[in-house]
Amino acid sequence: EAGVAQSPRYKIIEKRQSVAFWCNPISGHATLYWYQQILGQGPKLLIQFQNNGVVDDSQLPKDRFSAERLKGVDSTLKIQPAKLEDSAVYLCASKALLDMNTEAFFGQGTRLTVV
Amino acid sequence: AQSVAQPEDQVNVAEGNPLTVKCTYSVSGNPYLFWYVQYPNRGLQFLLKYITGDNLVKGSYGFEAEFNKSQTSFHLKKPSALVSDSALYFCAVRDVIGGNMLTFGGGTRLMVKP
Repeated sequence: EAGVAQSPRYKIIEKRQSVAFWCNPISGHATLYWYQQILGQGPKLLIQFQNNGVVDDSQLPKDRFSAERLKGVDSTLKIQPAKLEDSAVYLCASKALLDMNTEAFFGQGTRLTVV
Repeated sequence: AQSVAQPEDQVNVAEGNPLTVKCTYSVSGNPYLFWYVQYPNRGLQFLLKYITGDNLVKGSYGFEAEFNKSQTSFHLKKPSALVSDSALYFCAVRDVIGGNMLTFGGGTRLMVKP
């Protein structure tokens, strides 16, 4: 079974530039998450999708971050404009079911450096 | 609001010795608890979970975790550590009140020395 695919693996941009990350979840997984992991900290949820609908985006900085999952499969996360404090690893995860029991599977992440 | 605390930034243990990585949680309802491991430049890998039932949960790579409701803890354990167990470990919680959101602790770095 293929895992969660993310690209690019690494990205370096200057502040105020824009950047986009892509995620392809495990086939058939309806739930998709984007997490931000700042160095030395645990992952923090940015947004959760169920199919193509947003379930929770309460922690997404909507003035600069946006995410979509138009066809309910792959997803993109965008930052525009980027700030220095956005430097982090952005992790995508997917889960087969909406229930509470099922664990999420994570991709390798995209490491963003804003200079 | 749900939260997770991992009180130790780093745990050092000699190879062959038992290891414990501590985790305490706070939730409004019944907790669903998870442990993940992260190797350098890798995503998080699922180790084990507690949903209900037996308080001792067994997972991947010989790891196990003990759920203690009275102490609101879910400590990760392994009887005999390997150098290859050296990694970053994250405890996470989900509860019905908090929806499907998985909240992570800050992580504990495990260093196993030969």
